[in-house]
Amino acid sequence: IAGITQAPTSQILAAGRRMTLRCTQDMRHNAMYWYRQDLGLGLRLIHYSNTAGTTGKGEVPDGYSVSRANTDDFPLTLASAVPSQTSVYFCASSDEVGGTYNEQFFGPGTRLTVL
Amino acid sequence: AQSVTQPDIHITVSEGASLELRCNYSYGATPYLFWYVQSPGQGLQLLLKYFSGDTLVQGIKGFEAEFKRSQSSFNLRKPSVHWSDAAEYFCAVGARGYQKVTFGIGTKLQVIP
Repeated sequence: IAGITQAPTSQILAAGRRMTLRCTQDMRHNAMYWYRQDLGLGLRLIHYSNTAGTTGKGEVPDGYSVSRANTDDFPLTLASAVPSQTSVYFCASSDEVGGTYNEQFFGPGTRLTVL
Repeated sequence: AQSVTQPDIHITVSEGASLELRCNYSYGATPYLFWYVQSPGQGLQLLLKYFSGDTLVQGIKGFEAEFKRSQSSFNLRKPSVHWSDAAEYFCAVGARGYQKVTFGIGTKLQVIP
């Protein structure tokens, strides 16, 4: 079944450590996104990518970096994790047709705890 | 800048009762509007979307929503709620040619027997 996979499912990480969250989609969608979900704050956009080779900053980009080497993969890296980055992280993708970005498809999420 | 308000953080309804979840948006032009559902421990799933045309939109699982430009609203409705509808519901707004979507903070629905 086509969709988005994320890895790991969950992770406990010591503060100061580097961590990469993986995201892969097989729908050949142009756009991909990373969100974090926190209680009472909903989903907040961290970074996005319109197409392979391009990325952009979202609402809460500080402390995170992304790359888009190809269409399918969009990894999110925390260079030096801090406890405030404890959250559930969702990757999403959407297709673009004639200037219209259609609905976003979401992965199952990664639950990250930074101690 | 676009924004979304979901005024109800938590709603409890009895199984079989009707449901309406409120969503108000702020955007200068014609918005693209979405409702997503998130079951515990899962990612978000699209219920329905509005881009243009008929302002009453039908979605999956028996849900519908109505776009009311004059009220800047896109409320989600279901005539008879099932216990399996217990989940968190997110309204979102986007725009033509704009890849970013702004999500509301969500409404958690509890269904009681």
